[in-house]
Amino acid sequence: DQQVKQNSPSLSVQEGRISILNCDYTNSMFDYFLWYKKYPAEGPTFLISISSIKDKNEDGRFTVFLNKSAKHLSLHIVPSQPGDSAVYFCAASSGGYQKVTFGTGTKLQVIP
Amino acid sequence: GAGVSQSPSNKVTEKGKDVELRCDPISGHTALYWYRQSLGQGLEFLIYFQGNSAPDKSGLPSDRFSAERTGGSVSTLTIQRTQQEDSAVYLCASSPGPGQEAFFGQGTRLTVV
Repeated sequence: DQQVKQNSPSLSVQEGRISILNCDYTNSMFDYFLWYKKYPAEGPTFLISISSIKDKNEDGRFTVFLNKSAKHLSLHIVPSQPGDSAVYFCAASSGGYQKVTFGTGTKLQVIP
Repeated sequence: GAGVSQSPSNKVTEKGKDVELRCDPISGHTALYWYRQSLGQGLEFLIYFQGNSAPDKSGLPSDRFSAERTGGSVSTLTIQRTQQEDSAVYLCASSPGPGQEAFFGQGTRLTVV
């Protein structure tokens, strides 16, 4: 049962344009959401997070939007840079004594 | 170092042998997670520790897999009688508390031949 879904396995974007990575979840108990970036041969690194009490969180070129009614979140990267090329994982947790559940990842390629 | 450390970084083993993977989390982090990533797949949850106890071990694929954590710190993941389908990168992560931002190690690449 995949509780966190990233339906697009890959995405190609031109440098300077906006990258939008999407994530859907099924567990209504999730209240904290995270995005991780993973380069080949490295462990994932934390990128940005959002609590369910917010609908938007911004950090530089990265913005995460949360639509609780749709159980959907998205990561926007503006402007996209070649160094952003990586696999992006969406993750969620329900706080308290709970694990973090990851999606299957979206491979982003930013074309120079 | 200050990050999550995993050893070995690479392990090649023969089918049927046992292997032990080690994770040193960030000091003071109470939560510790094991994940694995098979070729072309996403992050598959294996087990979660809070302190020395494992409230969620639902991701362990079979009874050949076990994990323990001692002293609220180091964790070992043991795979008995390895099979070729166990080949994957095994990732360990720790976080200050449950559900919070996790910091990952670089992983152990296990190859079963």
